[in-house]
Order: sequence, then structure tokens, then C-alpha cells
Amino acid sequence: KAGVTQTPRYLIKTRGQQVTLSCSPISGHRSVSWYQQTPGQGLQFLFEYFSETQRNKGNFPGRFSGRQFSNSRSEMNVSTLELGDSALYLCASSLGSLAVKTGELFFGEGSRLTVL
Amino acid sequence: QQPVQSPQAVILREGEDAVINCSSSKALYSVHWYRQKHGEAPVFLMILLKGGEQKGHEKISASFNEKKQQSSLYLTASQLSYSGTYFCGTERGFGNEKLTFGTGTRLTIIP
Repeated sequence: KAGVTQTPRYLIKTRGQQVTLSCSPISGHRSVSWYQQTPGQGLQFLFEYFSETQRNKGNFPGRFSGRQFSNSRSEMNVSTLELGDSALYLCASSLGSLAVKTGELFFGEGSRLTVL
Repeated sequence: QQPVQSPQAVILREGEDAVINCSSSKALYSVHWYRQKHGEAPVFLMILLKGGEQKGHEKISASFNEKKQQSSLYLTASQLSYSGTYFCGTERGFGNEKLTFGTGTRLTIIP
């Protein structure tokens, strides 16, 4: 079956602009999580969506937002970009459940954002 | 709170063994291990639930010491394909707790 698809794969923006990243999860997966990856910081949790509801949110400023659609596809948006937002943004999907803890995450290859 | 991984980096010759540690200051419900090769997406290795069980995956196994809130990943007779960055992720308690990853351990296997 098709894996997690993230678009765009690479993008360059300038400070102050905004960006929208898209994630299509594996068919049947209802949970989508977003992570920011930078050298030395590992994978920083941004947020998780399950059945169109934000279930968890990490310690990022309000400039970072996301949403999930009825088909489980998810988008994240970063407004007023800063140089420090340059990173690889990874999306991960899982079967998810209201009652079950995090199971195996299937990651996409990420969207590499460069802010100039 | 982010778990602490050690070592940060390690270089091994093919066939040698490695141990990667992951520790938390908080009580844990589960520990997850992922491997990310350069330029690729992280790939799931295994999940360990509290109860101290040990799991295995080919020549890669892991343990979870619930009392110490520590997990160790064991790579025996390492192969070139084991090279990559290993991340542990931890979950606390029940409910909708987020999975929090450590900063990773970069493993390089040389011939």
C-alpha cells in the first residue's frame, strides 16, 4: 500500500512569509502527527490530529497551526516565518484510537523548509 | 520532557556490538525505537511497554527497566546496514500523552 506522502518536498521562503505543508496518510490511518527535525534537536513534536480533532499540541508558538480533513489528510501552516523555522517537517500517520496509546508511526520523507 | 539518549554518536567496525541508552526522569508507559538513515524517513523498530519486557528484531533487541525509567537498544554483530540515527520516543501514563523523542544517537558502521 502507498506510504505517507508529503508535499512539497523542498521549499524556500523568506522571512515574514507563510507556508502550508500537506500530508496524506496511509489509507485507513486516522491519526496524523507532525514533527520538526533540526540538527541537534531531534524530533520535536508539533501536534497530533485524530478524526479531524487536535488531540495533542507541542510547545511551539501560535504561528504553527494545523488541521485535518475528513479524509484524514492533514495540513500544517507556519505564518510569519523566521530563520529558525528552517527545518525538516515530518508527518507520521498511525491507525490511532481514542483508547490506545501511540502505536507504530509511519513517517513520510518530510518537507524541507529553508527560510532566507 | 525530552528523554536523554547516550551516547550521542558511536563508530563501530562491522561485527561489533553496540548499546544505545534512553532515560527519562518521569514514569514511563512505553518506549519506542526508530532508526533514520541519512536522507530517509524514520522507520519503526519496536515498542516496549512497561513491565520490563525485552523485544527482539533480527539482531536488534531492546529492554525496558521500568524502575529506572530506562531503555537500552542492543545491536549485536552490527552490519553496514545498521548505520543511521537511532531515536527513542517515550510516552507517559495513560490518556492522550504525546510521544516525545530524544535527540538521537548517530551510529556509523565501518567495514
